[in-house]
Amino acid sequence: ILNVEQSPQSLHVQEGDSTNFTCSFPSSNFYALHWYRWETAKSPEALFVMTLNGDEKKKGRISATLNTKEGYSYLYIKGSQPEDSATYLCAFRGSQGNLIFGKGTKLSVKP
Amino acid sequence: DTGVSQDPRHKITKRGQNVTFRCDPISEHNRLYWYRQTLGQGPEFLTYFQNEAQLEKSRLLSDRFSAERPKGSFSTLEIQRTEQGDSAMYLCASSSVSVYGYTFGSGTRLTVV
Repeated sequence: ILNVEQSPQSLHVQEGDSTNFTCSFPSSNFYALHWYRWETAKSPEALFVMTLNGDEKKKGRISATLNTKEGYSYLYIKGSQPEDSATYLCAFRGSQGNLIFGKGTKLSVKP
Repeated sequence: DTGVSQDPRHKITKRGQNVTFRCDPISEHNRLYWYRQTLGQGPEFLTYFQNEAQLEKSRLLSDRFSAERPKGSFSTLEIQRTEQGDSAMYLCASSSVSVYGYTFGSGTRLTVV
């Protein structure tokens, strides 16, 4: 059974704090690692798709790194804002074709 | 194109009733996926289509669940004889080349009472 773990489960930070989350996934049969941001009552929004070991991607204040050999990815948010409050999901794609999601990290940013 | 559309947004049904959800993907996407998310869990894969062919079904998809994509465009997911355990958010997503990420709809929230 393929397992994708995310930590922490939830996180409460103050506006302006920087934060990071972890996603661990199987290190074999790796094809891609996806990050999504899911706000309440909206659809999950794709942040990054990462395919190569050592990949680093950035979108505004959000960045992500990938280590496929050890099976982990970090998502960083610099200078958190209240609008960053959401659940951040990572998903592993291996040879099975479909995405396997973690349970997500729920971020709350207080003004 | 306004993205992936799902209908209805919310559905409340009595146990034992049948329900059907619809998903309209992005028109140029040939792959369509159904996921289910329950409280405290991440989205769980149910099934996916490439064009009109259903290529994979999860063990989660019991005999009471059936999905179709008859013309390779929109898809329907039907649940027969609903049970309380079917209460969940049902998400649809589409993609063209899956490595470039999925586009999700807003989901259909099903409540079985």
